[in-house]
Amino acid sequence: AQKVTQAQTEISVVEKEDVTLDCVYETRDTTYYLFWYKQPPSGELVFLIRRNSFDEQNEISGRYSWNFQKSTSSFNFTITASQVVDSAVYFCALSEARNNAGNMLTFGGGTRLMVKP
Amino acid sequence: DGGITQSPKYLFRKEGQNVTLSCEQNLNHDAMYWYRQDPGQGLRLIYYSQIVNDFQKGDIAEGYSVSREKKESFPLTVTSAQKNPTAFYLCASSIKRRGVEVQPQHFGDGTRLSIL
Repeated sequence: AQKVTQAQTEISVVEKEDVTLDCVYETRDTTYYLFWYKQPPSGELVFLIRRNSFDEQNEISGRYSWNFQKSTSSFNFTITASQVVDSAVYFCALSEARNNAGNMLTFGGGTRLMVKP
Repeated sequence: DGGITQSPKYLFRKEGQNVTLSCEQNLNHDAMYWYRQDPGQGLRLIYYSQIVNDFQKGDIAEGYSVSREKKESFPLTVTSAQKNPTAFYLCASSIKRRGVEVQPQHFGDGTRLSIL
């Protein structure tokens, strides 16, 4: 069965600090997709990134970067020079491609990030 | 602007009442989903629909019902059989799967349901 674990339930940093959010997943599928979503206080989930299991290249988008390591089944998310606007709950999610007829996601429990000025 | 609209934002239910949460999308997406989020927890799938007039149960469908009569709309009814309905409900939509390529879901702002 598929599972996503975000061991850090809450992280607090001071503005301009770098912060890494951990995500560890379990799946028996060889083809799968990993996602990160941001949930600001307003409630909606905002899609940040999708990565498939065949692409282990790290990705950078502005202050955001993602490190995908199949060897450790991890897909960690780093925010560089954090800002107060980064305060939100961040979810990691997994979707198995072969055992899943649609786009169903299994979510981790989320990490609440608080960035203090 | 294209997006997903959920209404109302806050909803209160008396014991024994059914209530219906609205979800409308103008993204022309085929698939729609309903999730439940409890405080400090991740999202759990209630129901999903990949095409009009068809829907499937998710992980926690008991006490809920849905319909998909139009592509744009996927209302969720929380019935009196749902013993603990207080939660935050999120609706999402996505384009159809393309082969093995899983598509990202796009979410509405959510409805917070409370029991009086």
